[in-house]
Amino acid sequence: ETGVTQSPTHLIKTRGQQVTLRCSSQSGHNTVSWYQQALGQGPQFIFQYYREEENGRGNFPPRFSGLQFPNYSSELNVNALELDDSALYLCASSSGQGAGELFFGEGSRLTVL
Amino acid sequence: AQSVTQLDSQVPVFEEAPVELRCNYSSSVSVYLFWYVQYPNQGLQLLLKYLSGSTLVKGINGFEAEFNKSQTSFHLRKPSVHISDTAEYFCAVSPNQRQLTFGSGTQLTVLP
Repeated sequence: ETGVTQSPTHLIKTRGQQVTLRCSSQSGHNTVSWYQQALGQGPQFIFQYYREEENGRGNFPPRFSGLQFPNYSSELNVNALELDDSALYLCASSSGQGAGELFFGEGSRLTVL
Repeated sequence: AQSVTQLDSQVPVFEEAPVELRCNYSSSVSVYLFWYVQYPNQGLQLLLKYLSGSTLVKGINGFEAEFNKSQTSFHLRKPSVHISDTAEYFCAVSPNQRQLTFGSGTQLTVLP
């Protein structure tokens, strides 16, 4: 059984650029959630996708957007990068709309210069 | 809205000693409660969760937690820790199982 995989693991961007992060969900899971974890902080909920539809969103601006594909993999896109976007971005997959049992990937560490 | 307070950012403890990691939450609605563990350079792993029923919840690796509604707490305990328990521990709450609100974490360091 393949777990949650994320790519890239590390990347560096400059302010104003755009970034796309990718996530493959665990086999059999149809729900993907994205979290932002700033250094020294707990993860913060960005949004969740269930069967290709956004199914809940946290307090993040519209320049944070996402997609879920028919195979349930997902992308997180961030436009107009700001320095404060530097963080570890975690993807988690689960089965159904509940978020009780999330299976997390190892994250993509984004540095914005 | 919900919030989670983890009262201790760092907890050092000697091997085989007991440990308690404290978590308090605030919410205007009923919530579900979780503890996750994050080992260095890894994602988060679910330790245990409280959804309903018995207020004492047992999880993996010998951890347990007790839900106290009157004190809005969900403290994590282990009677005897091992070096391998060294990690960051996060308490989280959710009103709807759709999104989790995490605390800022407690770094548990087990000393030989």
